Amino acid sequence: NAGVMQNPRHLVRRRGQEARLRCSPMKGHSHVYWYRQLPEEGLKFMVYLQKENIIDESGMPKERFSAEFPKEGPSILRIQQVVRGDSAAYFCASSPRAGQGNTEAFFGQGTRLTVV
Amino acid sequence: AQTVTQSQPEMSVQEAETVTLSCTYDTSENNYYLFWYKQPPSRQMILVIRQEAYKQQNATENRFSVNFQKAAKSFSLKISDSQLGDTAMYFCAFMKQYSGGGADGLTFGKGTHLIIQP
Repeated sequence: NAGVMQNPRHLVRRRGQEARLRCSPMKGHSHVYWYRQLPEEGLKFMVYLQKENIIDESGMPKERFSAEFPKEGPSILRIQQVVRGDSAAYFCASSPRAGQGNTEAFFGQGTRLTVV
Repeated sequence: AQTVTQSQPEMSVQEAETVTLSCTYDTSENNYYLFWYKQPPSRQMILVIRQEAYKQQNATENRFSVNFQKAAKSFSLKISDSQLGDTAMYFCAFMKQYSGGGADGLTFGKGTHLIIQP
């Protein structure tokens, strides 16, 4: 059973370009969370998705950032018109069912985005 | 909103010693979970230990144990017989639990860099 797969591991974009980060959850998992980690910081929650639904996007910047988790295929975090401040490690986590009795989220290895 | 505070940016101990990492949190919730995650240089986030707030008994996992003080909102991690492979960033995290079975994302502290010296 493969773990949470994120790709690419490293992504370099010039200012103004778009960045697309992909996350394939563990098999059987229908809940996906995206987090951002700035240097020397902990992870900050961005968005929580179930298949075809955004459940909580309270941590997502209002502009330029969007996320989706389609019925088929990986979850995508999309950052339009990237700026230097978007440089960070972006982590995806998945769980089979949120809530009571099943709380463990399994993390991917992250995508390190560098904006030059 | 919840906050998680880790007041020790870095700690260093000798191999085989016992070390305690501190974590405090602030919340008005009564039902929640607390976690310790380890992040080695590979960046992989690894769950170390989990505590349900409604349980009074402190969680243990082999060499890892917690001291959960709900009234004080404190959740420290003790690592016994520390090993070189324990060198990593350690993050304390909070997750609110909903009565209907849903759950929020995790709120993390800023982390403690633990170095185990040979």
